[in-house]
Amino acid sequence: QVQLVQSGPEVKKPGASVKVSCKASGYTFATYGITWVREAPGQGLEWMGWISAYNGDTKYAQKFQGRVTMTTDTSTTTVYMELRSLTSDDTAVYYCARDASAYDYWGQGTLVTVPS
Amino acid sequence: QSVLTQPPSASGTPGQRVTISCSGSSANIGSNFVSWYHHLPGMAPKLLIYRGNQRPSGVPDRFSGSKSGTSASLAISGLRSEDEADYYCAAWDDSLSGLVFGGGTKLTVL
Repeated sequence: QVQLVQSGPEVKKPGASVKVSCKASGYTFATYGITWVREAPGQGLEWMGWISAYNGDTKYAQKFQGRVTMTTDTSTTTVYMELRSLTSDDTAVYYCARDASAYDYWGQGTLVTVPS
Repeated sequence: QSVLTQPPSASGTPGQRVTISCSGSSANIGSNFVSWYHHLPGMAPKLLIYRGNQRPSGVPDRFSGSKSGTSASLAISGLRSEDEADYYCAAWDDSLSGLVFGGGTKLTVL
């Protein structure tokens, strides 16, 4: 069965970086891209960007351009999302999701906390 | 402020039909497919509707999606207590060159 398993919670200082992983299994990894979505406390869902698992092409939301990097490791079928220069506004649950023109499978979410 | 506009709340009694709207523009809903997601606090979102009106396997036919111009709607018929959740619409935005979500609608089953 399709599964996306994310890395555990993180607590980071302002100005630091965080790298969240998303390990995919149960399907042919290169067939689908992976999207990252976050949900800050009291806020709605926010699209961060997308990466092709086939060739590593990326598309980032304008808001995160220059601050986010998404990468893949095809040998371990894992996708990574690194966010830099963290502030308290980046405190959120970060989700990866399989992109099959809509997001049909999701990771369990990773809480990233940046104390102010 | 979300690019797609949803009512912040909706409610209904068990068995009723409820509709949640999602208003956008020609850059997003007007020219691209809409998807809908069900989201409970602490849980991963779940895909309900894709390509405007298609249901993934396992999603009951009580859930349906439609679109007219630059607006879309999610209808839930035969409302059940377990439908109480947050619902989000989403669509690709050609101007922003990115996906946009609605602000979410909290559905309460009275």
